[in-house]
Amino acid sequence: QKEVEQDPGPLSVPEGAIVSLNCTYSNSAFQYFMWYRQYSRKGPELLMYTYSSGNKEDGRFTAQVDKSSKYISLFIRDSQPSDSATYLCAMKVGYQKVTFGIGTKLQVIP
Amino acid sequence: GAVVSQHPSRVICKSGTSVKIECRSLDFQATTMFWYRQFPKQSLMLMATSNEGSKATYEQGVEKDKFLINHASLTLSTLTVTSAHPEDSSFYICSANTRDRGAYEQYFGPGTRLTVT
Repeated sequence: QKEVEQDPGPLSVPEGAIVSLNCTYSNSAFQYFMWYRQYSRKGPELLMYTYSSGNKEDGRFTAQVDKSSKYISLFIRDSQPSDSATYLCAMKVGYQKVTFGIGTKLQVIP
Repeated sequence: GAVVSQHPSRVICKSGTSVKIECRSLDFQATTMFWYRQFPKQSLMLMATSNEGSKATYEQGVEKDKFLINHASLTLSTLTVTSAHPEDSSFYICSANTRDRGAYEQYFGPGTRLTVT
């Protein structure tokens, strides 16, 4: 079993839709939960992070962490074609290495 | 924000030659730098972690003699792929963090696409 499980997609949605991206994990020691956006042939860009359980909102993006279920989510409201990218969940313990999900490829259709 | 650069962005080399990739933190001092490899449709796989002035720690299965990492200063780390083979063709990405900022903050470079012919 992988430490972090993420559906690779692809996920296609119409412009303006609410997008839900999810990951599950097995290591209960994870403390930091991040979401990265990666455009084709580019390095990942940090979108959001959450420490421990809870919700965090930033503009059109909302990150949720449920440590009891070992489940994290990223919601994108009013999705735009420019949101089309691969979204990677990631998590870590303190300053230890980051463990990434495989990434979900999202396409927002105009 | 913190910026990490990589050079070159793309390199093509012949089998058996060596290639050096540079990773620089432009506006902060990187306590730790990480090197990842990403194959098509796969996630980032950590190859090694390096702290300034000390030897890199390699992940299981990564050949330290093949992938030489030098973290000579707080702003520069290099990855040298020695005697490259076609199976080393991949997207190599470095990242860096600093204890001056949050533990979650890891800044990624734009990546280097290596093609070995």
